[in-house]
Amino acid sequence: DVKVTQSSRYLVKRTGEKVFLECVQDMDHENMFWYRQDPGLGLRLIYFSYDVKMKEKGDIPEGYSVSREKKERFSLILESASTNQTSMYLCASSSGGVQGPLEQYFGPGTRLTVT
Amino acid sequence: LAKTTQPISMDSYEGQEVNITCSHNNIATNDYITWYQQFPSQGPRFIIQGYKTKVTNEVASLFIPADRKSSTLSLPRVSLSDTAVYYCLYRGFGNEKLTFGTGTRLTIIP
Repeated sequence: DVKVTQSSRYLVKRTGEKVFLECVQDMDHENMFWYRQDPGLGLRLIYFSYDVKMKEKGDIPEGYSVSREKKERFSLILESASTNQTSMYLCASSSGGVQGPLEQYFGPGTRLTVT
Repeated sequence: LAKTTQPISMDSYEGQEVNITCSHNNIATNDYITWYQQFPSQGPRFIIQGYKTKVTNEVASLFIPADRKSSTLSLPRVSLSDTAVYYCLYRGFGNEKLTFGTGTRLTIIP
């Protein structure tokens, strides 16, 4: 069975802290994605990666960075957390490279609160 | 700028057919449209994808007109467990930008 896991379901951090959100997939997928989801704004793409060590900016990359050192793992980094980064963060993966299908598999999400 | 429109919410009674439409004015020429279902506190789950005309699987049908500027997800004989938020996803023309629809909150009434 397809599986995308995220390191935490709930996380509370203080303003200015460096925050790491980890995502692991076991499907050997080329593509991995990070989204944030906020009430009234839906899902917005932060960054995505279509290969190891490759990354592309999404709609809202400001304040975030990513790392993909291994195919199965995609990390989202908040260099200096701010209260406006309080959100639900969702990781997803899909096969097929940059032009690959849109059938994405999502993790359960991490609800991050920055105080 | 790509713009995606879905109704914010819909209500339906159990056993009825429900149709949810997503309008996308800037879809890539040669790419699929996909639909997702999301329950509270869970990530979205893939339901169906299509390129044109009609696609059917065991849970839903997807209708896409010839101009591909919209798509309609059809859920036959809904039950209470279909209460969820439904999103369309497509890739934009030119910039290849992935775009989720705004989401439709479907509530099934017993």
